[in-house]
Amino acid sequence: EPEVTQTPSHQVTQMGQEVILRCVPISNHLYFYWYRQILGQKVEFLVSFYNNEISEKSEIFDDQFSVERPDGSNFTLKIRSTKLEDSAMYFCATEDSGLAGGTKKYFGPGTRLTVT
Amino acid sequence: QKEVEQNSGPLSVPEGAIASLNCTYSDRGSQSFFWYRQYSGKSPELIMSIYSNGDKEDGRFTAQLNKASQYVSLLIRDSQPSDSATYLCAVNPQISGYSTLTFGKGTMLLVSP
Repeated sequence: EPEVTQTPSHQVTQMGQEVILRCVPISNHLYFYWYRQILGQKVEFLVSFYNNEISEKSEIFDDQFSVERPDGSNFTLKIRSTKLEDSAMYFCATEDSGLAGGTKKYFGPGTRLTVT
Repeated sequence: QKEVEQNSGPLSVPEGAIASLNCTYSDRGSQSFFWYRQYSGKSPELIMSIYSNGDKEDGRFTAQLNKASQYVSLLIRDSQPSDSATYLCAVNPQISGYSTLTFGKGTMLLVSP
């Protein structure tokens, strides 16, 4: 069964540094998302991406965050200047059109970001 | 503000019993509903989706939806120790096309041998 992959699995960075989290979506999927989960808390929506542009973003997704799909396969999340509170698991999710019977999101294994 | 509420648990059941997990949601316009299983330190894994009122069965899992009561449940029959995990209820405003999931905090299920 096709899977969403994410790299790296764990990223440790110092406060103020830039990080790029990478995701390879399932090949025929159209919609891409980033979610995050701070330890012990709920999974939170960050941003959705469709047709090479942001479709929707949450209040969390401020100017420090950006997404792109630079080569048609990888889907990246960049945090320009990390803060301690950015420490979380970041999940990429992808989704097909849903026309076959309802949309379903499939999550990658996640990147654990630790900001020190 | 869209909210999805779940009892955090833990819900403890013995092996072989039925585990019943519940979820309520605030957005009456929600159209699709999901149960994800999340093991500690892992990503959410989709186990059930349901779009219309009533029951939907898949193996040992049955999802139940009541849109009038804004209530979704998951029954796990013949619970196994490997079912021990946190179960996340998630709600979507649409059936197809992109949309953002709203998650509950999850219910921890513990199945004892």
